[in-house]
Amino acid sequence: DAGVIQSPRHEVTEMGQEVTLRCKPISGHNSLFWYRQTMMRGLELLIYFNNNVPIDDSGMPEDRFSAKMPNASFSTLKIQPSEPRDSAVYFCASTPGLAYYNEQFFGPGTRLTVL
Amino acid sequence: GQQVMQIPQYQHVQEGEDFTTYCNSSTTLSNIQWYKQRPGGHPVFLIQLVKSGEVKKQKRLTFQFGEAKKNSSLHITATQTTDVGTYFCAGPEGGGADGLTFGKGTHLIIQP
Repeated sequence: DAGVIQSPRHEVTEMGQEVTLRCKPISGHNSLFWYRQTMMRGLELLIYFNNNVPIDDSGMPEDRFSAKMPNASFSTLKIQPSEPRDSAVYFCASTPGLAYYNEQFFGPGTRLTVL
Repeated sequence: GQQVMQIPQYQHVQEGEDFTTYCNSSTTLSNIQWYKQRPGGHPVFLIQLVKSGEVKKQKRLTFQFGEAKKNSSLHITATQTTDVGTYFCAGPEGGGADGLTFGKGTHLIIQP
């Protein structure tokens, strides 16, 4: 299995631009998570999908952030418009069952820099 | 939501010394997970503890879950350079949510 796939691996953009991060979970996993990691705030859960349905989006910072999961094999996290404080590493993770009771498999992450 | 506190934030050790990181929660946890993240890498699952007082070992790593299921620890015996990285504990979010809340992690730095 290829594991969780994320693209792009690195993204540099200017403030105000739209950014779209992509994730392909492990086949057969029915839960998908988006995390943001910074030195100051650590690893933060942004949103969690189960069977393609958003279950908990309380971690999404503000309306500039949106996430979709149109099917079981693809999810996007969009930031529009982007701001310098959005600079972070964004991880996608998937798990085969209950979120808190199963090992989470993380993708390699997307390092986002907003200038 | 759930708060999971982890100490210390940084730990410098000489190669061969032991290392311990501690994780504390204000509420009882149904389970706790531990992850390791190498520099520049992504978190990788190490283990899950479920039972009160549970102790699990993986080679030089020993994981403990407290009797009250509010704290946990990871102990590494005789550290090696391959142990460098950040060790995170994670517990259920609680409050009816299904996700995980991660501690801030302990950064292990090993001096040869």
